[in-house]
Amino acid sequence: EVQLVQSGAEVKKPGESLKISCKGSGYSFTSYWIGWVRQMPGKGLEWMGIIYPGDSDTRYSPSFQGQVTISADKSISTAYLQWSSLKASDTAMYYCASSPSDCSSTSCYSSYFDYWGQGTLVTVSS
Amino acid sequence: QSVLTQPPSVSAAPGQKVTISCSGSSSNIGNNYVSWYQQLPGTAPKLLIYDNNKRPSGIPDRFSGSKSGTSATLGITGLQTGDEADYYCGTWDSSLSAGHGVFGTGTKVTVL
Repeated sequence: EVQLVQSGAEVKKPGESLKISCKGSGYSFTSYWIGWVRQMPGKGLEWMGIIYPGDSDTRYSPSFQGQVTISADKSISTAYLQWSSLKASDTAMYYCASSPSDCSSTSCYSSYFDYWGQGTLVTVSS
Repeated sequence: QSVLTQPPSVSAAPGQKVTISCSGSSSNIGNNYVSWYQQLPGTAPKLLIYDNNKRPSGIPDRFSGSKSGTSATLGITGLQTGDEADYYCGTWDSSLSAGHGVFGTGTKVTVL
């Protein structure tokens, strides 16, 4: 059974750093993309970025490039999303999700999110 | 700000049909597969449709997807109270060199 288990809720102050995790099991972790999705309170889904643990290929949405860092440790089947300096506007639910890879003649990319983690609520408040 | 536009809400009576549109451009829907997700209140999203019109195992055939040009559509027939949720389309966007994913603005389905 495929499972993505995310780390627990976090309460942080503005300016603090944070790294949340997503551990995959039940499938070949290095053969699927892992993506991160933000959902601010009462709002829609926002695609943040994605990593292919097999070769660490990482893609970011222009909206999140430079704002967060996505990484993965394939030795423990875990992906990470981190901030160096949190803002109140980072308060949101963050989901990780796995994605099969699709390839064109020139590159590979994430196709769709088939399995999702339970979400990690990040609250940033002074 | 999402590049995929969906209607904010649709509604219908139990047993009826609703359709949700997702409008994009040639850099996303026009040249990539579309997927659809259902998000029930307080839960993580769930994949409903992938590769424009395929259903994962366990998704009833009341849910269907289609794509034409730069738009896609999700259809739900035999509407049930349990279908009340937010629905999102998603696809890849190739407008930048590395590419990135995008979601639609989301549509709330209400069963009257």
